[in-house]
Amino acid sequence: GESVGLHLPTLSVQEGDNSIINCAYSNSASDYFIWYKQESGKGPQFIIDIRSNMDKRQGQRVTVLLNKTVKHLSLQIAATQPGDSAVYFCAENRAAGNKLTFGGGTRVLVKP
Amino acid sequence: GAGVSQSPSNKVTEKGKDVELRCDPISGHTALYWYRQSLGQGLEFLIYFQGNSAPDKSGLPSDRFSAERTGGSVSTLTIQRTQQEDSAVYLCASSLQLGRGLHGYTFGSGTRLTVV
Repeated sequence: GESVGLHLPTLSVQEGDNSIINCAYSNSASDYFIWYKQESGKGPQFIIDIRSNMDKRQGQRVTVLLNKTVKHLSLQIAATQPGDSAVYFCAENRAAGNKLTFGGGTRVLVKP
Repeated sequence: GAGVSQSPSNKVTEKGKDVELRCDPISGHTALYWYRQSLGQGLEFLIYFQGNSAPDKSGLPSDRFSAERTGGSVSTLTIQRTQQEDSAVYLCASSLQLGRGLHGYTFGSGTRLTVV
């Protein structure tokens, strides 16, 4: 993913509905991916990760899907709650690399 | 400590002045990272430290930026002759090991730097 400048893409979702956040990554050598959640005024918090030998991983109310063919990552949040309102970032670690590269982020707004 | 601690949480400085930002990583974490986040944007890598190895400075935007990590623990990011474009949130993170560390990084809450 690339930075989208001052205007983050925004996903508005009704409370209780499912949310899907998408991320495209650029490096086919990346083999480890993480989703982070960032609330206003706080640092990013780990949500869930996945390695490239998997195509799906589930956590509590969250599922990450990895499609290596098209270099696409998605985060699904089930039964979205007001506390899920935040900016979500995907990050990739390139094989044998030493740092995470972050996508531009998606803002999720949960409507009551 | 229980988490990554950064200080100050907010810093307003005049253009041309030097600033120092501090990061206390989680005890025992050998890897420490600095990222910058401009308003409404993603995270830009600046520098990382791993143990006694030479730091990876490849993300530092200019020679006005420098960082050090003393005793394998606390790190200081210094910006000399600050410019308005340096205004951003500076985030520090630590992990148990480089890159493929368990569950990625643990981030601090950041220092919001405003250059006026």
